[in-house]
Amino acid sequence: EPEVTQTPSHQVTQMGQEVILRCVPISNHLYFYWYRQILGQKVEFLVSFYNNEISEKSEIFDDQFSVERPDGSNFTLKIRSTKLEDSAMYFCASSVLDRVFQPQHFGDGTRLSIL
Amino acid sequence: GIQVEQSPPDLILQEGANSTLRCNFSDSVNNLQWFHQNPWGQLINLFYIPSGTKQNGRLSATTVATERYSLLYISSSQTTDSGVYFCAVMNYGGSQGNLIFGKGTKLSVKP
Repeated sequence: EPEVTQTPSHQVTQMGQEVILRCVPISNHLYFYWYRQILGQKVEFLVSFYNNEISEKSEIFDDQFSVERPDGSNFTLKIRSTKLEDSAMYFCASSVLDRVFQPQHFGDGTRLSIL
Repeated sequence: GIQVEQSPPDLILQEGANSTLRCNFSDSVNNLQWFHQNPWGQLINLFYIPSGTKQNGRLSATTVATERYSLLYISSSQTTDSGVYFCAVMNYGGSQGNLIFGKGTKLSVKP
């Protein structure tokens, strides 16, 4: 079964540094998402992306975050100047064109640790 | 926005026992998914079930959309079932497609 793949599985970064989290969605999917889970808390929506632009973003997704689909397969989340509170598990997800009545498929996540 | 409430928040079982996890939501939904988060943090998709009943081995799920709840049944539990179970919904006619997660049920299965 096709999978969403995320790299790296664990990223350790100094506060203030830029970090890029990478995702390869399932090949025939056209809707892409990033979610975040702070340790011990629930999963929260960050941003959705379709047709090379942001469809929706949450209040968490402020100016230090950006997303990009640099080529036909990768989908990236960039955090420009990391803060301690950015430490979390970040999940990428994708769904097919008609995202209504279709499940979202999640990757295994990237654990981001800010020192 | 839509509210998702899961119960119980914590559940401890002996291996072999059965359990029912509940998810209540406050508005109509067009997507409901159940996930198992394992000790390594991975989110494993269990069911996509906006309505009706599905079964997969020892697990089954039922969603009664008109009454705004979903149930996840685990039968003959095993220690590998331990972890956190999340319900996530997408609001019908609402946002562009983000899932809204509950706080989860933490399940511990003792040998």
